[in-house]
Amino acid sequence: NAGVTQTPKFQVLKTGQSMTLQCAQDMNHEYMSWYRQDPGMGLRLIHYSVGAGITDQGEVPNGYNVSRSTTEDFPLRLLSAAPSQTSVYFCASSYSTSGENEQFFGPGTRLTVL
Amino acid sequence: GESVGLHLPTLSVQEGDNSIINCAYSNSASDYFIWYKQESGKGPQFIIDIRSNMDKRQGQRVTVLLNKTVKHLSLQIAATQPGDSAVYFCAENMDGSYKLIFGSGTRLLVRP
Repeated sequence: NAGVTQTPKFQVLKTGQSMTLQCAQDMNHEYMSWYRQDPGMGLRLIHYSVGAGITDQGEVPNGYNVSRSTTEDFPLRLLSAAPSQTSVYFCASSYSTSGENEQFFGPGTRLTVL
Repeated sequence: GESVGLHLPTLSVQEGDNSIINCAYSNSASDYFIWYKQESGKGPQFIIDIRSNMDKRQGQRVTVLLNKTVKHLSLQIAATQPGDSAVYFCAENMDGSYKLIFGSGTRLLVRP
């Protein structure tokens, strides 16, 4: 299994540009989520999904959209990038929607917005 | 609001010594806690978890202690090795939901 994969690894955007961060998992996990990590801080939940067709907002959802058309994929869209969105983005998945289970994280996407 | 935080931002230990990383949480309703290890340039990696009906749980070279009275969580690493150098996060699961709340992290530096 490849686990959780994310692309791209690095990205530089100009303010106002849009882009999609890709996330895929091959473990047939129901639960997937997106976090951002700013320097010296922990991870903050952006959006999450408990299954195909179901998404919900986390702590910091503004400026981001998600969709979950398949179990495997959970893309994160920035419609109009802002410098405040400069961060490292992590996707995670787990086999159950119950909180008491391990979340597997991808390697991250480092995004810089100029 | 509810939060999970750490007492020490950086911990430096001698190789072979034991390490203790601490974490405080504020929500008494939290019932599940996880420790993650994050190496430079990588995503967080699960180390060990503990449920609120337990006080202690042991893994390979790691032990997590939970003190619900003072809302305190700690991670003990025995015989710390250079490969243990990383940032360690505690995370809190609130009320059985799938939303993890992360602390700000502690950097562990292992001196040879």
